[in-house]
Amino acid sequence: DQQVKQNSPSLSVQEGRISILNCDYTNSMFDYFLWYKKYPAEGPTFLISISSIKDKNEDGRFTVFLNKSAKHLSLHIVPSQPGDSAVYFCAATYSGAGSYQLTFGKGTKLSVIP
Amino acid sequence: DTGVSQNPRHKITKRGQNVTFRCDPISEHNRLYWYRQTLGQGPEFLTYFQNEAQLEKSRLLSDRFSAERPKGSFSTLEIQRTEQGDSAMYLCASSSLGRSYNEQFFGPGTRLTVL
Repeated sequence: DQQVKQNSPSLSVQEGRISILNCDYTNSMFDYFLWYKKYPAEGPTFLISISSIKDKNEDGRFTVFLNKSAKHLSLHIVPSQPGDSAVYFCAATYSGAGSYQLTFGKGTKLSVIP
Repeated sequence: DTGVSQNPRHKITKRGQNVTFRCDPISEHNRLYWYRQTLGQGPEFLTYFQNEAQLEKSRLLSDRFSAERPKGSFSTLEIQRTEQGDSAMYLCASSSLGRSYNEQFFGPGTRLTVL
């Protein structure tokens, strides 16, 4: 039973346009959400996060939106750049469990076309 | 470089052999996590340490797996009697309360291939 789902395995976007990556979760206990970016042969790199008490967090070109009622979050990248081409993982955690272990989705491969 | 480091980066072994991986976390981080990632999947939690204490293990961590963090600094993950199903990328991450335990910083991983 996958608790964090990224239903789009891949996404192609033109350089300069907006990239929107989506993520759904089923566990209502999750209270903190993160996006990681991964290049081949490297570990995941932390990108941006959001607490469940917020519905939006912005950092430069990256914005994460959280819709708790729909159990849905999205990552917006504006404008998209070729260097953004990577696999993006959505992750969630439940801080009340103590371990802060991350539960990941399967990832979405973003290709930004010059 | 003050990031998380892992060694070796690649390991090829024959079924039935034992292997050991090492992780050096960011120096001021007191929490250390091990994850496993197989092809087409996201990383899956295996276990974590707070300082030298191993506080939680996933059901994915069979009896053939053991992890240690003897002095609360580096950690090792050993797999005994490897099986082909153990082939995966083994990722280590660290975090600290100061930045929020939620934000974990990952190393480059050790890719294990069991023949």
